[in-house]
Amino acid sequence: EVQLLESGGDLVQPGGSLRLSCAASGFPFSSGGMGWVRQAPGKGLEWVSAIGGHDTYYADSVKGRFTISTDISNHMFYLYLQLNSLRAEDTALYYCARSTGYWMFDYWGQGTLVTVSS
Amino acid sequence: QSALTQPASVSGSPGQSITISCTGTSSDIGTYNYVSWYQQYPGKAPKVMIYDVSSRPSGVSNRFSGSKSGNAASLTISGLQAEDEAAYYCASYTTSSTLVFGGGTKLTVL
Repeated sequence: EVQLLESGGDLVQPGGSLRLSCAASGFPFSSGGMGWVRQAPGKGLEWVSAIGGHDTYYADSVKGRFTISTDISNHMFYLYLQLNSLRAEDTALYYCARSTGYWMFDYWGQGTLVTVSS
Repeated sequence: QSALTQPASVSGSPGQSITISCTGTSSDIGTYNYVSWYQQYPGKAPKVMIYDVSSRPSGVSNRFSGSKSGNAASLTISGLQAEDEAAYYCASYTTSSTLVFGGGTKLTVL
């Protein structure tokens, strides 16, 4: 069974940093890609970033501020998103999701909340 | 990359069919057959209902179907049921190797 569990969301001041984590299990780590999608309170879905192999991709709104990466530790696969220079408009629920290709996300976590406020 | 355009809301009665449109550009929908549709209930994670324009994942009802013409795609739900009431989002792969979502459509079953 595919499981995705996000963590790391918090209240942070504008200009601050945060690292989100997603612990993934139940599928071959080498398959497809992974990504992050966010949803501001009461708003729609916004694609943030994705990684496939060694290639990384970012939405224009976060390019240069966010960094996506992966790691394998203790037989677990982890997806990370480093968030720097945070702005109020980055406030959102951040979902981790698995992609089978061309960023079609077939499995999603339950999300971790990032709030940027002074 | 601008968001795909969807109607803010659609409605229909049980048993009827509804169609949700999704308009993009030649940089996304018009170039690739990588359009997907997601269903989201309040407070829940999205669920993929259609991928690659018209393919259904295992377990998704055949009442859901998708199509594409030019720079636009559409999702049709036939035999509307109360449980279909949710938000629906289209998404498309782009020529920048990114993904763009639509603004979302709230489906109300009357």
